[in-house]
Amino acid sequence: DAGVTQSPTHLIKTRGQQVTLRCSPKSGHDTVSWYQQALGQGPQFIFQYYEEEERQRGNFPDRFSGHQFPNYSSELNVNALLLGDSALYLCASSLASEAERNQPQHFGDGTRLSIL
Amino acid sequence: ILNVEQSPQSLHVQEGDSTNFTCSFPSSNFYALHWYRWETAKSPEALFVMTLNGDEKKKGRISATLNTKEGYSYLYIKGSQPEDSATYLCASPSYNQGGKLIFGQGTELSVKP
Repeated sequence: DAGVTQSPTHLIKTRGQQVTLRCSPKSGHDTVSWYQQALGQGPQFIFQYYEEEERQRGNFPDRFSGHQFPNYSSELNVNALLLGDSALYLCASSLASEAERNQPQHFGDGTRLSIL
Repeated sequence: ILNVEQSPQSLHVQEGDSTNFTCSFPSSNFYALHWYRWETAKSPEALFVMTLNGDEKKKGRISATLNTKEGYSYLYIKGSQPEDSATYLCASPSYNQGGKLIFGQGTELSVKP
């Protein structure tokens, strides 16, 4: 039973470039959330996708966008990269249900993004 | 705004020591409290999801308690081992925003042999 997988593992970009990160949820899960973890901080919620739509969004600028595909996998896109976007980006999957807040989220290993 | 705070930020103990750390959260509109363990170069792994005031959960040498009225949860590790070295994160779901988790900054535990 495959867990959450993310690609790539590491990525180096320069300021102003664009990047796409990918996530495949745990088998049977239909909801994908993205988090940014900067050094010394806890993960910060970026947005959540369910039924191919953005369901919730955290306090991130429009440069951060995403997509969910019919197979529930998801992409996180960041445009016009800034030095401050350097962070670990985590994907988490879960089941959308009334009790979802009682369910733990399942995380991938993350993508380490470095902006030069 | 839901703020989740953890203390201490880091903890260094000797093998065999017992230790505990704290997660505090707003007590109003409480729904659940999650604990995750995050080892370096791995993914965060769920330890507990706690929902009821007075809840106490246990997994091996690790246990957690919950006080929703005063807004805190304690995580205890009995007889720490080097393999317990990790960052321990707590998180609370946003009350009106489904699965959005608000994380604390984590407690980094280092257990020396």
